[in-house]
Amino acid sequence: SYVLTQPPSVSVAPGKAARITCGGNNIGSKVLHWYQQRPGQAPVLVMYFDNDRPSGIPERFSGSNSGNTATLTISRVEAGDEADYYCQVWDSSTDHYVFGTGTRLTVL
Amino acid sequence: QGQLVESGGGVVQPGRSLRLSCAASGFSFRSYGMHWVRQAPGKGLEWVAGIWYDEGSNKYYADAVKGRFTISRDNSKNTLYLQMNSLRGEDTAVYYCVRFSEEAFDIWGQGTMVIVSS
Repeated sequence: SYVLTQPPSVSVAPGKAARITCGGNNIGSKVLHWYQQRPGQAPVLVMYFDNDRPSGIPERFSGSNSGNTATLTISRVEAGDEADYYCQVWDSSTDHYVFGTGTRLTVL
Repeated sequence: QGQLVESGGGVVQPGRSLRLSCAASGFSFRSYGMHWVRQAPGKGLEWVAGIWYDEGSNKYYADAVKGRFTISRDNSKNTLYLQMNSLRGEDTAVYYCVRFSEEAFDIWGQGTMVIVSS
């Protein structure tokens, strides 16, 4: 089955940029989405089709996807960005939807 | 923008059954595929099952639940279901009802907790 690997944690100072990676075999050939889950809350879609933002998501959020790595970049990080972030793709070989292992973003 | 409200969770003994429901409002339910995603305590997200927009068509299941869980929907009632049989301890999780749009899970419910324990 297809595996998506994320770093368990990323820490960043307020106002700096945070980069959260998602690794997978030839992930650049797949459509990738990102979800934010704040503590005690349901996940929220923050990026779809690699680099499209749903309405209401700040322009500070951007994405890229190429080769074996996708990246979610959050510029000018704020305290409210502290959350768990998950990448997700559809695995066409199994018709299964796969989530990454998740990354906890800590704002110092 | 749409709302999803899950119900039916609770504590159940191993081997027993439980049915989850998800009431949709604020959007044309019959036009969207729907899914269930779960999250075990302290763990990450795990896709469980999905169903196309029309009731009788394709359904998909994660290997961990195939043969035990059944996803269904009633478009006349704007409701999604998950029938869970032969429950195991590893099925303990928060179960989220999720709308599928633009190939992503764009609307999530608040979740319902299922605890499988004797």
